[in-house]
Amino acid sequence: EVQLLESGGGLVQPGGSLRLSCAASGFTFSTYAMNWVRQAPGKGLEWVSGISGGGGSTQYADSVKGRFTISRDNSKNTLYLQMNGLGVEDTAAYYCAKFVGGRSLVDWGQGTLVTVSS
Amino acid sequence: EIVLTQSPGTLSLSPGERATLSCRASQSVSSSYLVWYQQKPGQAPRLLIYGASSRATGIPDRFSGSGSGTDFTLTISRLEPEDFAMYYCQQYGSSPQTFGQGTKVEIK
Repeated sequence: EVQLLESGGGLVQPGGSLRLSCAASGFTFSTYAMNWVRQAPGKGLEWVSGISGGGGSTQYADSVKGRFTISRDNSKNTLYLQMNGLGVEDTAAYYCAKFVGGRSLVDWGQGTLVTVSS
Repeated sequence: EIVLTQSPGTLSLSPGERATLSCRASQSVSSSYLVWYQQKPGQAPRLLIYGASSRATGIPDRFSGSGSGTDFTLTISRLEPEDFAMYYCQQYGSSPQTFGQGTKVEIK
């Protein structure tokens, strides 16, 4: 059974940093691209970032480019999102999701909440 | 960036009725890269339909998808109580991948 467990969310002041983690199990982690998707309170889904299975290719939404960094440690089956320069507009639940070619985001974690507030 | 516009914003229906949800793209999307998700309050999204018309594993056959180009449709043939939720379309054929703003299917 695929399991994705996010952690690292919390309350941070504007301008601060957080690192989110997503621990994966139940599948061969290194063979799948992974993504981060966020959802502001009461709002819709917004794709944030994606990374290839080997980690050599990354993509970012314009809204986070230059501030967020996606990475992965395939030896630890863990996906990361380093978030710097956080603003109130980054307040959201952050989900990690496994990408399957031809199917998009098949498996999702339960999300971790990031609140940016002074 | 491809903008996906979903309509209506809210659909008020009774159990047993048919639901028709629309997703319109600002430019053509390959059917292969158009998917639909269902999301219930407090839960992560769940993949319903991929490739515009193929049901994901475990999805009941009352859910169906259709469309091509810029117009796509999700149909729920007979609403069950557990189907009242938010529904999102997504395209991932053009970078950046984008989501529609969602359609809420609520109990009338």
